[in-house]
Amino acid sequence: DAKTTQPNSMESNEEEPVHLPCNHSTISGTDYIHWYRQLPSQGPEYVIHGLTSNVNNRMASLAIAEDRKSSTLILHRATLRDAAVYYCILRDGLYSGAGSYQLTFGKGTKLSVIP
Amino acid sequence: DVKVTQSSRYLVKRTGEKVFLECVQDMDHENMFWYRQDPGLGLRLIYFSYDVKMKEKGDIPEGYSVSREKKERFSLILESASTNQTSMYLCASAGGSLGNQPQHFGDGTRLSIL
Repeated sequence: DAKTTQPNSMESNEEEPVHLPCNHSTISGTDYIHWYRQLPSQGPEYVIHGLTSNVNNRMASLAIAEDRKSSTLILHRATLRDAAVYYCILRDGLYSGAGSYQLTFGKGTKLSVIP
Repeated sequence: DVKVTQSSRYLVKRTGEKVFLECVQDMDHENMFWYRQDPGLGLRLIYFSYDVKMKEKGDIPEGYSVSREKKERFSLILESASTNQTSMYLCASAGGSLGNQPQHFGDGTRLSIL
């Protein structure tokens, strides 16, 4: 998977929006941007993914820069349950070989939510 | 919502025992995976299955085997448990035929081998 860069940690107040940035300057044309998060003592949780256009789902929004070299995960109103490590990864949309299934997370961004 | 259920959250076994970890998904996904997660080492793929009775080795298959007799169920077997297999084990499932598809995880089984 191509490399992504995220801040080590961020803080947010409860009920405020949170913008989690991710840089991926070496992204290729067929790479999708995926976000996962992992709460303490739980398995990773898929959040959202996109290719070029901004995406919304019930959990979050994904804003993708026009040149696709960066993206931002937006949590519209942070809750205590959103405190987790957030991972931004790139996944090749064309490759279907056996090796394409391995998920490789970097260090991610640890989000703290202050009550 | 996708539901991936792992049979145990916590498990303690002894060295040399045969250990079975079970995973069930309810979304009719073709693909299922077993990972282990260790501090500082991240996620490592043990095995995955892309269809019933089909399996492929991941990065660290040694000491493990898997079974997929039904589409919704994927089992991980530790043939003879050893202390270095103490870890968090995560099962995941994904639809489609491309590796790009999102993977949905269970809550994990924290396995301790004494």
